[in-house]
Amino acid sequence: LAKTTQPISMDSYEGQEVNITCSHNNIATNDYITWYQQFPSQGPRFIIQGYKTKVTNEVASLFIPADRKSSTLSLPRVSLSDTAVYYCLVGDPGIPANFGNEKLTFGTGTRLTIIP
Amino acid sequence: EAGVAQSPRYKIIEKRQSVAFWCNPISGHATLYWYQQILGQGPKLLIQFQNNGVVDDSQLPKDRFSAERLKGVDSTLKIQPAKLEDSAVYLCASSAGRDRAEKLFFGSGTQLSVL
Repeated sequence: LAKTTQPISMDSYEGQEVNITCSHNNIATNDYITWYQQFPSQGPRFIIQGYKTKVTNEVASLFIPADRKSSTLSLPRVSLSDTAVYYCLVGDPGIPANFGNEKLTFGTGTRLTIIP
Repeated sequence: EAGVAQSPRYKIIEKRQSVAFWCNPISGHATLYWYQQILGQGPKLLIQFQNNGVVDDSQLPKDRFSAERLKGVDSTLKIQPAKLEDSAVYLCASSAGRDRAEKLFFGSGTQLSVL
């Protein structure tokens, strides 16, 4: 599994667009990029997944450059309720999660705080 | 669609006591995971089931932790005896498949405090 690196924390004001970047320099050809959101006292929740270019859903957009060595989660016009920890994961849909010695493990994520 | 159900929501025990957590995954999901999340860290995989069989328990402290998924649906995670360092949130997740890009659905977790 490609190792991912994210900023530990970010602050933003309400109404702004927030971009969280994840680095995955060793991403493999078949790897997909998945983002989860975790609110306090809850389990992580799937936000978005993509392979290349841009993916958009009702919650967020995911931008992936051509070299795929990084990805950016974009949250439009954030509100206080977007305060959460955001995790970036990279994995190959063609490989079982338990294959090999690498585990489908979450890193420490990015703690996003929205300021009123 | 009903989500992943976990109980209890909170549990406080003294060290060396035993505790059990219960999980009911989303209907039809073949894969079930138990994660441990220590405060300030991301979730760490403890064990993964495919139907009622264990496919990965390499990070489960087997001297004190055990888990089962009888009939391939509900699952129970047990700790016996508990240690102070077991204080954490125990998350159950399920997914339709078992690959590394699978969409995971998590429950709200059980917050365990070992005193």
